Amino acid sequence: DQQVKQNSPSLSVQEGRISILNCDYTNSMFDYFLWYKKYPAEGPTFLISISSIKDKNEDGRFTVFLNKSAKHLSLHIVPSQPGDSAVYFCAASDSGGGADGLTFGKGTHLIIQP
Amino acid sequence: DAMVIQNPRYQVTQFGKPVTLSCSQTLNHNVMYWYQQKSSQAPKLLFHYYDKDFNNEADTPDNFQSRRPNTSFCFLDIRSPGLGDAAMYLCATSRDLRGAGTDTQYFGPGTRLTVL
Repeated sequence: DQQVKQNSPSLSVQEGRISILNCDYTNSMFDYFLWYKKYPAEGPTFLISISSIKDKNEDGRFTVFLNKSAKHLSLHIVPSQPGDSAVYFCAASDSGGGADGLTFGKGTHLIIQP
Repeated sequence: DAMVIQNPRYQVTQFGKPVTLSCSQTLNHNVMYWYQQKSSQAPKLLFHYYDKDFNNEADTPDNFQSRRPNTSFCFLDIRSPGLGDAAMYLCATSRDLRGAGTDTQYFGPGTRLTVL
């Protein structure tokens, strides 16, 4: 049973527009959420995170929104650039559980079109 | 640059032949993790070390073992690889900020294992 779901395997966005990647989770114990970006033949790279005490976190072109009641988070990239083309993984953890691993979604392949 | 290094990047083994994947880190992080990622799937945690304390996930097969001889190195041993073990194996590290809510993990580039 997938606890973190990314229902869009791929997303195509025009350069300069906003990219919105979505993620849903089922485990109410999750209280820390991360987005990772992965290029082919490389490991995932940390992008941005959000704690459950917040509903928004912004870092440059990247903003993550958290809706706890809906168990939903989204990553906004604006404006989208060609270098943003990659697979984006949503991940979650129960930080109160100690140094446990992350639970990942399957990823969304973002393609930025010129 | 502080980093997580995995060797080799590509590993080919034969069905049933033991194989060891290695991970090293220069971040001086307390925690090291091993994930398995099969094609088009989410990375799945196999186990992690908090310092020398080994923590196995309940559904990790016995075929998979790990060693952490010191802070910097961690090994993944697959005792008898099957065809279904072909995957990308990712090593990650994190500082232990238990209770602070920040579990950011830093990943190595991965080792792609092929089983013939």
